[in-house]
Amino acid sequence: DIQMTQSPSSLSASVGDRVTITCQASQDISNYLNWYQQKPGKAPKLLIYDASNLETGVPSRFSGSGSGTDFTFTISSLQPEDIATYYCQQYDNLFTFGPGTKVDIK
Amino acid sequence: EVQLVESGGGLIQPGGSLRLSCAASGFTVSSNYMSWVRQAPGKGLEWVSVIYSGGSTYYADSVKGRFTISRDNSKNTLYLQMNSLRAEDTAVYYCAGVDTDHGKFDYWGQGTLVTVSS
Repeated sequence: DIQMTQSPSSLSASVGDRVTITCQASQDISNYLNWYQQKPGKAPKLLIYDASNLETGVPSRFSGSGSGTDFTFTISSLQPEDIATYYCQQYDNLFTFGPGTKVDIK
Repeated sequence: EVQLVESGGGLIQPGGSLRLSCAASGFTVSSNYMSWVRQAPGKGLEWVSVIYSGGSTYYADSVKGRFTISRDNSKNTLYLQMNSLRAEDTAVYYCAGVDTDHGKFDYWGQGTLVTVSS
């Protein structure tokens, strides 16, 4: 089984700040990595697929990079509506979600 | 517009069984990968099971042997039969449509809560 880790588990940042979340896979998953945003009481929403591709309709302040075992998700300028928990997800071997990173406003 | 609507959740005693349903519209269950993902209260997302368009099924180790995923093509509906339920199965269960090329969970239902408690 492929295990996913994320760091940090939570963070506080100011509006306009650059926010970076990392995700690490327990083995090489190439670029088979997606990112989701989940707000309380809502289903997750896909933001980034294949490590770096922005899903249609998602604001360009969201971006992703990486391959192999190490991946990065970035919000270039944090907005109040970005308060949420963010998850990475691999699909190299079935599916696994990371533990999540909770983002809030300082 | 794609809609996935789950039903069947509720309170069940440990050791009991429950069947969840996910009715799809604007989306063909049999032509796509369909999955169940759960989220325990206050916890993260956990992938549970998938059924591929060809009919192959796979499960997380935590539910293997107890849960069964299936679909009814005529009803365009996905199911999750859950047996031998445990307290740790308590969660909101989401059905999701999965893109076959990019493994991305494109479409999600609103979720249905399963509570396993005596």
